[in-house]
Amino acid sequence: SQELEQSPQSLIVQEGKNLTINCTSSKTLYGLYWYKQKYGEGLIFLMMLQKGGEEKSHEKITAKLDEKKQQSSLHITASQPSHAGIYLCGAAYYNQGGKLIFGQGTELSVKP
Amino acid sequence: EAEVAQSPRYKITEKSQAVAFWCDPISGHATLYWYRQILGQGPELLVQFQDESVVDDSQLPKDRFSAERLKGVDSTLKIQPAELGDSAMYLCASSWPGQTGETQYFGPGTRLLVL
Repeated sequence: SQELEQSPQSLIVQEGKNLTINCTSSKTLYGLYWYKQKYGEGLIFLMMLQKGGEEKSHEKITAKLDEKKQQSSLHITASQPSHAGIYLCGAAYYNQGGKLIFGQGTELSVKP
Repeated sequence: EAEVAQSPRYKITEKSQAVAFWCDPISGHATLYWYRQILGQGPELLVQFQDESVVDDSQLPKDRFSAERLKGVDSTLKIQPAELGDSAMYLCASSWPGQTGETQYFGPGTRLLVL
């Protein structure tokens, strides 16, 4: 969707390295969701951000939402092979009911 | 741990045939979503239900796709006739009443291949 741009499209990192995935919206977000998807499987919920400037962490994954609520980043510290997969950001907008608009995804490979 | 169930996991069909996918949401989740995900892209909403009522089906190709949730619990998505371009992953998700901001939990998906 052109409303939501995700970058990079793919990423190959060496195990132990840090990485960042970005998600940019063309309009103000109500909320931003991060999901992980293994190839051929469903989406696993990671985190949801709603307040401007909010930051959440789970294990080695940290997600932030900027003050203007139009950009989010997902940062992985000391990547491991288990972090490999496709990361998707999903946007909830005001007055759009519950539906999510997804970015095109970032495919992450972690080399041992 | 409660999960969204989907079946079948994989379906291969020939074009012009009919196919149907089934979804059972997490117990108590009033809102159910069907998304379609083409390889290399993010999911796109096809239809959203609140209990048994359709809330949003603006992106559902109604000439060939239909969806129902008769008792407000499980749901069926049908394609008739299937076309080559329908090959994709069909994902079902559910959440508490679909107020903006409720987390959607996804099932494992049904991967459809149309030959």
